[in-house]
Amino acid sequence: EDQVTQSPEALRLQEGESSSLNCSYTVSGLRGLFWYRQDPGKGPEFLFTLYSAGEEKEKERLKATLTKKESFLHITAPKPEDSATYLCAVQAGNQFYFGTGTSLTVIP
Amino acid sequence: NAGVTQTPKFRVLKTGQSMTLLCAQDMNHEYMYWYRQDPGMGLRLIHYSVGEGTTAKGEVPDGYNVSRLKKQNFLLGLESAAPSQTSVYFCASRRPWVRTIAPDEQYFGPGTRLTVT
Repeated sequence: EDQVTQSPEALRLQEGESSSLNCSYTVSGLRGLFWYRQDPGKGPEFLFTLYSAGEEKEKERLKATLTKKESFLHITAPKPEDSATYLCAVQAGNQFYFGTGTSLTVIP
Repeated sequence: NAGVTQTPKFRVLKTGQSMTLLCAQDMNHEYMYWYRQDPGMGLRLIHYSVGEGTTAKGEVPDGYNVSRLKKQNFLLGLESAAPSQTSVYFCASRRPWVRTIAPDEQYFGPGTRLTVT
């Protein structure tokens, strides 16, 4: 059964305190792994696509990595505006399976 | 470009009533998706379409119907609403996956908050 698990459910960081979010998955025929950011009351906003184990992508304070079983979203020196829910999704065939997300709060 | 738009933004229904949610995209995307998002459950796929005139079931299709008569529109229907269908509904669209190119992300609409009493 295709499954995506994210941890932790919630994370509180002081501004500037780096950390990582985890996304572990079991899926047959992985076509891609996606990271999204979701702000309250809004739709998910695309951050990264990872396709191959060992691949890394960076955008400002965020860096996503991929292994054969999991992906990490590293947040370096976060700012309060990074507060949001971060969603991980995997694509198998034409369908996408989402994790339940990590709610990140960055305290000034 | 407006991207993906959803109508309405909010709706309250009584049990047994019917309604249709409209999703429209102006990016000429082939694929369109309907999800529901519930606390602690994440986004779950209801139905999807890989092109005009085609639809397919996702993870949680029961109680919903869809139609894709035009490429830019994807409609989600509830024939007889139930309290269990209280949720936030998101529509998304994307280009087809091409083997030689990295898979494309989905673009999401702003959501429709539906309450069934």
